[in-house]
Order: sequence, then structure tokens, then C-alpha cells
Amino acid sequence: GEEVAQTPKHLVRGEGQKAKLYCAPIKGHSYVFWYQQVLKNEFKFLISFQNENVFDETGMPKERFSAKCLPNSPCSLEIQATKLEDSAVYFCASSQIAQETQYFGPGTRLLVL
Amino acid sequence: DQQVKQNSPSLSVQEGRISILNCDYTNSMFDYFLWYKKYPAEGPTFLISISSIKDKNEDGRFTVFLNKSAKHLSLHIVPSQPGDSAVYFCAANGGGSNYKLTFGKGTLLTVNP
Repeated sequence: GEEVAQTPKHLVRGEGQKAKLYCAPIKGHSYVFWYQQVLKNEFKFLISFQNENVFDETGMPKERFSAKCLPNSPCSLEIQATKLEDSAVYFCASSQIAQETQYFGPGTRLLVL
Repeated sequence: DQQVKQNSPSLSVQEGRISILNCDYTNSMFDYFLWYKKYPAEGPTFLISISSIKDKNEDGRFTVFLNKSAKHLSLHIVPSQPGDSAVYFCAANGGGSNYKLTFGKGTLLTVNP
């Protein structure tokens, strides 16, 4: 597609439940990036992929967070056993070349109660 | 340690006048800079970018200036329009083999009719 698609738009989970977010990059883009926006304006990098391979995972809280990009499927970000502090907007972005412009999806707003 | 700083949380400008948004960075490894515009409950929308080998890039009403020696960039919008009212984020690409974006905290621009 011409835009980055993210589903669902909103997700509500009780503390301890699992959350799974999806991202379809722009067609032809090889790189996918996940960011977490907390406190309204702070973006935190989580993980990036080059096609189905992890490119950079330095931002991932490894204990509960995992992510995948499989061929012919949307990329996913999964949080096992969610905590209150996981409440945030999760943005996915894609780019054709790693060092150039990243285009963002509309985000998934996760609320953990 | 904030590597990208937008020191003005907000800016108010009259319609038709110039808007100047500023951004400072500390990491000399950054070599690609971007400006994004964000409306509430939407993803960041790419506006304009500049590579570190240039000092100016122009696209319609938007111009970005880069001063590498001062580690400073600015976004000029002229003429400003009410539809430009949004939060503007400055972002920098890590350079080298690290392509994650590092964001500033944003500047809320209000263009008054």
C-alpha cells in the first residue's frame, strides 16, 4: 500500500494480559521501525527490521517485548504480561533505505488498566 | 541525556507571517535530519529533510537550514497558514550503521488567523 497501516487503532488490556500490535509497511519498503511514544511527546526507539531480519533491537525491553516481520504477513509487536507503564502510543514506520526518510503509521494507542 | 533538543515548547504566529522552529543536537554522528508535523491522535507526517552535506533544503513553503558547526537546524514556514497549526518534531538519524531516529520533544505551532 501507499501508507503504513497499523491495527488496531486502540487496545485496552488488564495488567498481566498479552497485547499484540500489527504493522503493514509501505509496499516496497525493506525497513520497519517501531517506536513508543510516552508522556505525550517523547519517542523511544524499540526495534527495527530489514525485511524479516532484526536490524537493531537495542531499544527493546527483552523480558516482555518481542517482535517479528515474516514474509507476506504484517509485522507484529507483542507484549507479554503488560504493565501499567506500557500504556503508550506505539508507532510503526517504514523506509525504502535504512538511512533515509521513515514514514509513520497512525499508531496504536495501548491502555493498560 | 537528550541528544536532540527543541527548546521552545510552543510558538504563536500570525497568518501570513514566517514561522521559525529551532532544533539543536549534540551528537556529531548524526548525518540526516528530518522535520515531522503531528496532529493529535495521528502519526507523524514527514515534511522535509536535509543531509549533513547540505546547508539548505527547500520544498514549497518549507525550508530547512542546517548549521553543522553550531549543531543547529531550523525550519522556516512562509507564509504560515492556520492549517499549519500542529506539533513539529525535529528528528535525527543516527548515522553509521545505526538508523533509528532520535526525536526532540516537539514545538506546538499555533497560527492565528
